Amino acid sequence: DGGITQSPKYLFRKEGQNVTLSCEQNLNHDAMYWYRQDPGQGLRLIYYSQIVNDFQKGDIAEGYSVSREKKESFPLTVTSAQKNPTAFYLCASRYSTEAFFGQGTRLTVV
Amino acid sequence: SQQGEEDPQALSIQEGENATMNCSYKTSINNLQWYRQNSGRGLVHLILIRSNEREKHSGRLRVTLDTSKKSSSLLITASRAADTASYFCAPMDSNYQLIWGAGTKLIIKP
Repeated sequence: DGGITQSPKYLFRKEGQNVTLSCEQNLNHDAMYWYRQDPGQGLRLIYYSQIVNDFQKGDIAEGYSVSREKKESFPLTVTSAQKNPTAFYLCASRYSTEAFFGQGTRLTVV
Repeated sequence: SQQGEEDPQALSIQEGENATMNCSYKTSINNLQWYRQNSGRGLVHLILIRSNEREKHSGRLRVTLDTSKKSSSLLITASRAADTASYFCAPMDSNYQLIWGAGTKLIIKP
């Protein structure tokens, strides 16, 4: 069953903690993306990676970090430097011109 | 980055009626994609229209693209309750980045 898997579906973080969101794809796509979505809003690009061991900052990268050690995996770490991390996080992968999304992770700071 | 705009922001219609959503953008594009998002879920790819195409159909969906006006429309015919969702258009620029607006929230009343 091919696709993009994000985990966990729900994540709670205490203030000052770092948390890592998982994104795995078995579509053999080179490009992967992380987006943030706030209520009633569109998607904002956090980081993207066009190829293994390379990634670029998006529009709102501050307070986030990523790695791309394997083609299949693109984890996102929300650091304590991110002042307002409560949001819905979406991972996507792209082949040619078509992008596919995971089911998202809802992160809440408690 | 958010340089797209959907119109209207919200649309409420009776089941069986047609729903039309519009989208405008500012940059040159490679193609334009429409996505659906059910509440709290990931995005589902609906249809892709290339910059050299003017109209495309998929089932009950009809998409038009006018690159001279930098606009697109999505028509859903014979709407069903299951069509209730938010709809996003996502133009893809020459760097293969998707451009997002805030979406149109569609409600189908039974």
